[in-house]
Amino acid sequence: GENVEQHPSTLSVQEGDSAVIKCTYSDSASNYFPWYKQELGKRPQLIIDIRSNVGEKKDQRIAVTLNKTAKHFSLHITETQPEDSAVYFCAAGKTSYDKVIFGPGTSLSVIP
Amino acid sequence: NAGVTQTPKFQVLKTGQSMTLQCAQDMNHNSMYWYRQDPGMGLRLIYYSASEGTTDKGEVPNGYNVSRLNKREFSLRLESAAPSQTSVYFCASAESGRQETQYFGPGTRLLVL
Repeated sequence: GENVEQHPSTLSVQEGDSAVIKCTYSDSASNYFPWYKQELGKRPQLIIDIRSNVGEKKDQRIAVTLNKTAKHFSLHITETQPEDSAVYFCAAGKTSYDKVIFGPGTSLSVIP
Repeated sequence: NAGVTQTPKFQVLKTGQSMTLQCAQDMNHNSMYWYRQDPGMGLRLIYYSASEGTTDKGEVPNGYNVSRLNKREFSLRLESAAPSQTSVYFCASAESGRQETQYFGPGTRLLVL
């Protein structure tokens, strides 16, 4: 089955700097890669996703890149703000199956 | 729209007791999921239901059973709770077929003594 690894497990950045979180997956059949943000005590919420027919996707300060050959994908947050502090989860899944497998999460702290 | 709702919010059980966690969604989604979240381990899929009448095992199904009662409701049952099942449980739903966004419920915090 699918296995998703995520690095780093914790990340501290100064406000205004960029943050990068990297994930790898094992199943070459996976073709859907969402990213979720979970604030302390809250539920996970989707922030961006990418499908295998696209190499990069951007939404304001957030971008995701996908390298299907190497089986890794990354989340990039630019101009970080204190409200970006949260745990971020990557996930991978197949469209033919109705489930995704999550990575272990990255705790991001943005220092004012 | 309430989205995805879960009951109860918090529960304390003794080892060996049973309980059912309830989940309901009002978004007419076909797919529903149960996850558990433990520190440092992310969200692990317990069971999922791709459509009404079907259920499938996820990564960590042992010790749990599920029922997809109808399109709206998906319950998770612990027949004989163990301390290792202490966790936060999240239910989620999604429109199936195109891997749409999963919408999560607020979670149930379960403590097994």
